Amino acid sequence: QVQLQESGPGLVKPSETLSLTCTVSGGSISSYYWSWIRQPAGKGLEWIGRIYTSGSTNYNPSLKSRVTMSVDTSKNQFSLKLSSVTAADTAVYYCARGVITMINGMDVWGQGTTVTVSS
Amino acid sequence: SYVLTQPPSVSVAPGKTARITCGGNNIGSKSVHWYQQKPGQAPVLVIYYDSDRPSGIPERFSGSNSGNTATLTISRVEAGDEADYYCQVWDSSSAVFGGGTKLTVL
Repeated sequence: QVQLQESGPGLVKPSETLSLTCTVSGGSISSYYWSWIRQPAGKGLEWIGRIYTSGSTNYNPSLKSRVTMSVDTSKNQFSLKLSSVTAADTAVYYCARGVITMINGMDVWGQGTTVTVSS
Repeated sequence: SYVLTQPPSVSVAPGKTARITCGGNNIGSKSVHWYQQKPGQAPVLVIYYDSDRPSGIPERFSGSNSGNTATLTISRVEAGDEADYYCQVWDSSSAVFGGGTKLTVL
């Protein structure tokens, strides 16, 4: 059974770069889309972007100028970098798998990691 | 950008049928996915491609999509179905989520 685990600093200073990694276990990272989604406390889900195992990316237009995603197939990991963070970037960050045969429905999610932006 | 509109809340008695709508411009031309999120937990995919259920999701969960509205239907509602539900589509290679609907089981 495929599992996803987010990791990274729980506290980031304003104006710095948030960096998170999602590790895929129990299955291959190949031939899937891998997304990052975030959720501020008490609010809804916001998609940040996705990366295919080839390295091709799609980003949320509202975040595109600050987002970089990468994938390391040898480690079964993919990563998110969000630059110039502010308090508005404080949220629970999830990674998720998108399945092409499920019309890119996201069928496996990590448990989420809380990131707080504060000095 | 594409907008999905969900009612903030829906209430239903146990054993009854809950219907949660997701409105969007010509949403019937898109594939709609639905996620269930319980407090403190990650979302779970309950319906994909408008009406298909992933393995392990009860048959009580069903979906439809036509015109400007997609609907998630939960039959014979149980207390354990109480959760937030989100619809989601892909628009120009970007995922768009609805604002979410809190389902309360009375």
